[in-house]
Amino acid sequence: KAGVTQTPRYLIKTRGQQVTLSCSPISGHRSVSWYQQTPGQGLQFLFEYFSETQRNKGNFPGRFSGRQFSNSRSEMNVSTLELGDSALYLCASSLETSSPSYEQYFGPGTRLTVT
Amino acid sequence: GEDVEQSLFLSVREGDSSVINCTYTDSSSTYLYWYKQEPGAGLQLLTYIFSNMDMKQDQRLTVLLNKKDKHLSLRIADTQTGDSAIYFCAEIDTGRRALTFGSGTRLQVQP
Repeated sequence: KAGVTQTPRYLIKTRGQQVTLSCSPISGHRSVSWYQQTPGQGLQFLFEYFSETQRNKGNFPGRFSGRQFSNSRSEMNVSTLELGDSALYLCASSLETSSPSYEQYFGPGTRLTVT
Repeated sequence: GEDVEQSLFLSVREGDSSVINCTYTDSSSTYLYWYKQEPGAGLQLLTYIFSNMDMKQDQRLTVLLNKKDKHLSLRIADTQTGDSAIYFCAEIDTGRRALTFGSGTRLQVQP
């Protein structure tokens, strides 16, 4: 079974621009979560989507948004980019079961550099 | 609130055992996880343990959980150079389905 895929792998953007990142979960997984990884703040939870609805959200400004499609693929968008948004953005997928162990499987990440 | 702490660095010789430690604060944590991150890569789920267990073994990996002290450890037997990476422990907020990660322990394996 293919793992979580993320595109693009690398992005360079300028301050003030916006960016869209894409994530395809493992086949059959319906929950998709996004995390930001930076040297200073470590790994932080952005949001989680299930059945095309944002089910949970972390403590990030409204410039960070996302959506999920009917095939469970997800996108996240960052508007009005700031230098501090430079990070590795990781997507994780999870299988929803009646007895969950909440395992999350991560993709390779998208490395965003804001100049 | 939730907080997960790890030591930053561990160096071992090839063939030795490695023990990576982690402490967490959320006593309601149901599952605790260990992830591995190699340079330029995402996170690889290594193993996890349910909070009502004391120990879980999976090939070269042994997870020990001391729930009273909120202490989690990962032991890697016969450590190889390919084990060099950053190891993260994490706990899950099941309500938010959000993982809280430690800062990661960089494991360096000397040949």
